[in-house]
Amino acid sequence: DTEVTQTPKHLVMGMTNKKSLKCEQHMGHRAMYWYKQKAKKPPELMFVYSYEKLSINESVPSRFSPECPNSSLLNLHLHALQPEDSALYLCASSQLLAGQLTYEQYFGPGTRLTVT
Amino acid sequence: RKEVEQDPGPFNVPEGATVAFNCTYSNSASQSFFWYRQDCRKEPKLLMSVYSSGNEDGRFTAQLNRASQYISLLIRDSKLSDSATYLCVVKAPTGNQFYFGTGTSLTVIP
Repeated sequence: DTEVTQTPKHLVMGMTNKKSLKCEQHMGHRAMYWYKQKAKKPPELMFVYSYEKLSINESVPSRFSPECPNSSLLNLHLHALQPEDSALYLCASSQLLAGQLTYEQYFGPGTRLTVT
Repeated sequence: RKEVEQDPGPFNVPEGATVAFNCTYSNSASQSFFWYRQDCRKEPKLLMSVYSSGNEDGRFTAQLNRASQYISLLIRDSKLSDSATYLCVVKAPTGNQFYFGTGTSLTVIP
């Protein structure tokens, strides 16, 4: 099973709202990722969690706040977003095994976010 | 210099044609390479991992040339359903970051 699930599928929020995106995987992967993707562009890395600890923050504005409550769950808390934050937000996970050459990354279906 | 570079296309090919995409990477220490397929408004899906010099899966062949630091994807006997964007992805040699090419758009026409 290579499934990563994300909720909600679609989200419309105002600039003063607070909302959260959720991601779950049961593949035993210990690395989880948030990406932002705009139309006709590749995914752009936002955050990486390794063993439930934040290992990479790609200078993401503080209005995006990640959280990794346990090894299967990843959240992205949103507050005071701007219209330019409208995008597809993708969660992904990959295995962490020392000495393994291939680390396939599996993506969830994404949350399509519109900020009004 | 970008970590991964791809020709964005678009590639428009007739059904049954053979098409090849190339991708170059900048870090010679990279060890793990992948091709993903992404349909419009969907998530990227893993198409192939590229091992050693390359591998084949049905109509798809991926090759790795370490000396020239490029990866290629060959699609034989193109189907209409192959129309998508193909993303070249390279894992950083250390750490857990993956670098994405800009993607190559393929349209297979009847």
